[in-house]
Amino acid sequence: EAGVAQSPRYKIIEKRQSVAFWCNPISGHATLYWYQQILGQGPKLLIQFQNNGVVDDSQLPKDRFSAERLKGVDSTLKIQPAKLEDSAVYLCASSLDDGVYGYTFGSGTRLTVV
Amino acid sequence: QKEVEQDPGPLSVPEGAIVSLNCTYSNSAFQYFMWYRQYSRKGPELLMYTYSSGNKEDGRFTAQVDKSSKYISLFIRDSQPSDSATYLCASRMDSSYKLIFGSGTRLLVRP
Repeated sequence: EAGVAQSPRYKIIEKRQSVAFWCNPISGHATLYWYQQILGQGPKLLIQFQNNGVVDDSQLPKDRFSAERLKGVDSTLKIQPAKLEDSAVYLCASSLDDGVYGYTFGSGTRLTVV
Repeated sequence: QKEVEQDPGPLSVPEGAIVSLNCTYSNSAFQYFMWYRQYSRKGPELLMYTYSSGNKEDGRFTAQVDKSSKYISLFIRDSQPSDSATYLCASRMDSSYKLIFGSGTRLLVRP
């Protein structure tokens, strides 16, 4: 099966600019996750979708981050305005149902804010 | 206190060695335990998952969970240079989809 697709792979922006990341999950996977991985740390969940609906966005900085999942398939994550501390790898993952047996991650988008 | 803790390493071993990677966790409600492998500039890849306490073996990999001591282990037998990567442990509760990750241990297997 095709994996989780993410784009772009890399992005460099100046602080206060905006940026958007795109994710296409594995076909048929109802649950989609966005994780943030800062260098030297483990991934941290930002938001989780079940089909079109948000299940958990408790750790999403909503004053600057937004995410949507259209028609229960693709998803975009946006940051506006970006801060230096947003420099990280943004990982998208998907799973069947509740992810009891783990998720499949994409390769991520590496964001550098200068 | 972080919910899941790992020694960041790096851990350097010769090819063929048995590797032991460990995590501790603080939340007694965690029931699912997973190990992910992450190569440089790649996303994490699921290696093993375990429900509750016990052992699970898959080829050269063995995962162990001891809920009484809140200790998670991954053993790699006959380690290969291709095993060189960062290993992340992760846990979750029955009632939540959210995986809580440790910070990862870097492993280097020397030829």
